[in-house]
Amino acid sequence: AAGVIQSPRHLIKEKRETATLKCYPIPRHDTVYWYQQGPGQDPQFLISFYEKMQSDKGSIPDRFSAQQFSDYHSELNMSSLELGDSALYFCASSPRGSGRFGYTFGSGTRLTVV
Amino acid sequence: QKEVEQDPGPLSVPEGAIVSLNCTYSNSAFQYFMWYRQYSRKGPELLMYTYSSGNKEDGRFTAQVDKSSKYISLFIRDSQPSDSATYLCAMSVPRNTGNQFYFGTGTSLTVIP
Repeated sequence: AAGVIQSPRHLIKEKRETATLKCYPIPRHDTVYWYQQGPGQDPQFLISFYEKMQSDKGSIPDRFSAQQFSDYHSELNMSSLELGDSALYFCASSPRGSGRFGYTFGSGTRLTVV
Repeated sequence: QKEVEQDPGPLSVPEGAIVSLNCTYSNSAFQYFMWYRQYSRKGPELLMYTYSSGNKEDGRFTAQVDKSSKYISLFIRDSQPSDSATYLCAMSVPRNTGNQFYFGTGTSLTVIP
């Protein structure tokens, strides 16, 4: 079965650089969520999109932005990277209305800022 | 205080043991309760979800919810080395824009052969 695809798997950036993370949801899933998980931490909700519109916003820094495109894939853009941005970034998707029972996560992008 | 509290462990048990993982929460608006399993360097994988108080069984896994005590548990019977992972509890509350999820910090479990 198709899963949530994230790219790249690993990314190393220097401070103050920019990064773009991509997420391809499961086919027919119209809702995408972004989470940040620091070492030993629980996933922290960043932002979500439904039908290409932002549906909810969590603890996403102003330096980050995201969008969902017409094919439902989503990109998380991160600028002025800081050392503290080093984390696993997960994308998850769900069909609208089924999200209350949990959703499917991708394998994540590990971002290291040096 | 975090919305969801979970003992981070680590928890180490011998193969075949019964494992009990627990979370408490403070927000009575939570309606849906889930358990995720996360292997190292992988995304969380949904194991079980439940809505009402009581027990829900799926193979070796049993999820238990006690809304009156704001307490949920995951029991793993006949634990296997392949169960070694971090287990995250999660809860959701419906909002106009969708369902907002809150995760516990995860409990690291090692099952020793």
